[in-house]
Amino acid sequence: EAQVTQNPRYLITVTGKKLTVTCSQNMNHEYMSWYRQDPGLGLRQIYYSMNVEVTDKGDVPEGYKVSRKEKRNFPLILESPSPNQTSLYFCASKRPGNTEAFFGQGTRLTVV
Amino acid sequence: AQSVAQPEDQVNVAEGNPLTVKCTYSVSGNPYLFWYVQYPNRGLQFLLKYITGDNLVKGSYGFEAEFNKSQTSFHLKKPSALVSDSALYFCAVRDLGGNTPLVFGKGTRLSVIA
Repeated sequence: EAQVTQNPRYLITVTGKKLTVTCSQNMNHEYMSWYRQDPGLGLRQIYYSMNVEVTDKGDVPEGYKVSRKEKRNFPLILESPSPNQTSLYFCASKRPGNTEAFFGQGTRLTVV
Repeated sequence: AQSVAQPEDQVNVAEGNPLTVKCTYSVSGNPYLFWYVQYPNRGLQFLLKYITGDNLVKGSYGFEAEFNKSQTSFHLKKPSALVSDSALYFCAVRDLGGNTPLVFGKGTRLSVIA
């Protein structure tokens, strides 16, 4: 089954403790991206990657890092999480060009 | 810069009645438009898209959307709402000509009442 898989689905952590949210897709998509969803703000893009070893900042990249060492994986790294990064995070992948994106199930992160 | 506006935070409709969820957009070039739906505790699911061609686009679950270039709108419609259509709906836009990311609206929560 074609899918985008995020782990973990839920995470509660403390301020400053480094964490990684993994994202993997099995559709051989070149393009992957991370979004955060906050009430009243919709989805905002954090980072995206056009292909392996190519990453770029989205609208809200501060406090986040990403890497794209292989095509299927696009982890989101929070080196020093803060409470304002409490949010619902989505990973997405798509083929190049004007194609629709496929989304993961989401990761609900709480930073206390 | 691209932008999307969904003017209604919440839309309530009775089951069996037609529904409309509004979306207006702004892009510098030609738009590439999407609708996604999010059910509780789920990721976003693609409903339909418009690139070029017929202004009325048909999508999943009986939904359709009408592209109106003069009004820069892409409203989502369904002739007869179901309770199971209750969800959060997102409109998104991308500039067709550029290498730009997809920009989402803030979402509209649709509630269909039996």
